[in-house]
Amino acid sequence: AQSVTQPDIHITVSEGASLELRCNYSYGATPYLFWYVQSPGQGLQLLLKYFSGDTLVQGIKGFEAEFKRSQSSFNLRKPSVHWSDAAEYFCAGGGNEKLTFGTGTRLTIIP
Amino acid sequence: NAGVMQNPRHLVRRRGQEARLRCSPMKGHSHVYWYRQLPEEGLKFMVYLQKENIIDESGMPKERFSAEFPKEGPSILRIQQVVRGDSAAYFCASATSGREVEQFFGPGTRLTVL
Repeated sequence: AQSVTQPDIHITVSEGASLELRCNYSYGATPYLFWYVQSPGQGLQLLLKYFSGDTLVQGIKGFEAEFKRSQSSFNLRKPSVHWSDAAEYFCAGGGNEKLTFGTGTRLTIIP
Repeated sequence: NAGVMQNPRHLVRRRGQEARLRCSPMKGHSHVYWYRQLPEEGLKFMVYLQKENIIDESGMPKERFSAEFPKEGPSILRIQQVVRGDSAAYFCASATSGREVEQFFGPGTRLTVL
């Protein structure tokens, strides 16, 4: 069965520090992979997506993610976080039919 | 080009009532997906529809829940005889046909069952 795992429920980082959010997937074939961000009470905004090709993907707001087939991972990174990055982050995978979401990682930024 | 629209944004129902959630996909999108987000959880797929067809309803509860996407008008997610456990945020997403397409999400409808 397809699954997406986000091992970290909550991460706290200082403003200006680097960030890495982990995501692991389990699929029969290479899935399409996505990272979404959700602010409290809001909908989901797509940060970046991977379909095929270059395994390092650039997204909006300075985020990037790297697809590593050998590790079944698609970790999200940002070199320097801003207070406005505080939100819930969801990794998702799937084909054209439906997305399977991880349980999310809540990011807290401290001054 | 307006994004995915959902209404109402907030819906309060008493146990036993019916809830109707509407989703208007982005212009040109013929695929609609419904997801449910329970408090403190990720999104769970419910149903995938194309115009006038249900393609995959593997995530829909067997009873009380139904969805449609008519030829004209928005997609409707209908919950009959709501119970407190139905309280959640319901998100709609839309996409075009083809490969390597992304789903665009609406702002969600937050259903509260009293």
